[in-house]
Amino acid sequence: GDSVTQMEGPVTLSEEAFLTINCTYTATGYPSLFWYVQYPGEGLQLLLKATKADDKGSNKGFEATYRKETTSFHLEKGSVQVSDSAVYFCALSNYRGSTLGRLYFGRGTQLTVWP
Amino acid sequence: DTEVTQTPKHLVMGMTNKKSLKCEQHMGHRAMYWYKQKAKKPPELMFVYSYEKLSINESVPSRFSPECPNSSLLNLHLHALQPEDSALYLCASSPSGTGGEGYTFGSGTRLTVV
Repeated sequence: GDSVTQMEGPVTLSEEAFLTINCTYTATGYPSLFWYVQYPGEGLQLLLKATKADDKGSNKGFEATYRKETTSFHLEKGSVQVSDSAVYFCALSNYRGSTLGRLYFGRGTQLTVWP
Repeated sequence: DTEVTQTPKHLVMGMTNKKSLKCEQHMGHRAMYWYKQKAKKPPELMFVYSYEKLSINESVPSRFSPECPNSSLLNLHLHALQPEDSALYLCASSPSGTGGEGYTFGSGTRLTVV
């Protein structure tokens, strides 16, 4: 079945450090891939998405490229800020009729950025 | 309007109470979802409504009863809950049921069952 594997956290970085959070997926066909962010006490916000191979999603300095050959969608940011501290979820959606609207989430990665 | 609005934000209820969670969106989305999220875990799908019809029920106990009165509203009726049902309940919507467009989540209702 479809699934997402996300690197374990927590990840702790100093401000302005480079961030990578690894995400790989298992799915047949051509899933859509997402990164969601959840700030403390809040719901999930869509950070970026990619719907086909080689697409690059980007938002707020974060980037992720849909790599079909390595089934990966790693999240990167060149210089993190304290305000980026949150939990990040990698997710996929793979519409095949019978899996209508289902999002498959990774386990989430807690990021803490220190000043 | 690009939001999903959930009410209430916090709810404390006893195991014999009946309460309802409400979710509203005015983006014209035709698919709406209920997710349950325990602390430090990813959200778990509970129900999917597509074009106001229940499309997916993830074997959720009958003490949770969803309702979709119209394309903008989604309710979750709660009755005789257990303490282990305490969690963050998230509502989400998407333009259609295919999922490729992404999902908009509400900020959630934090439920505590005592």
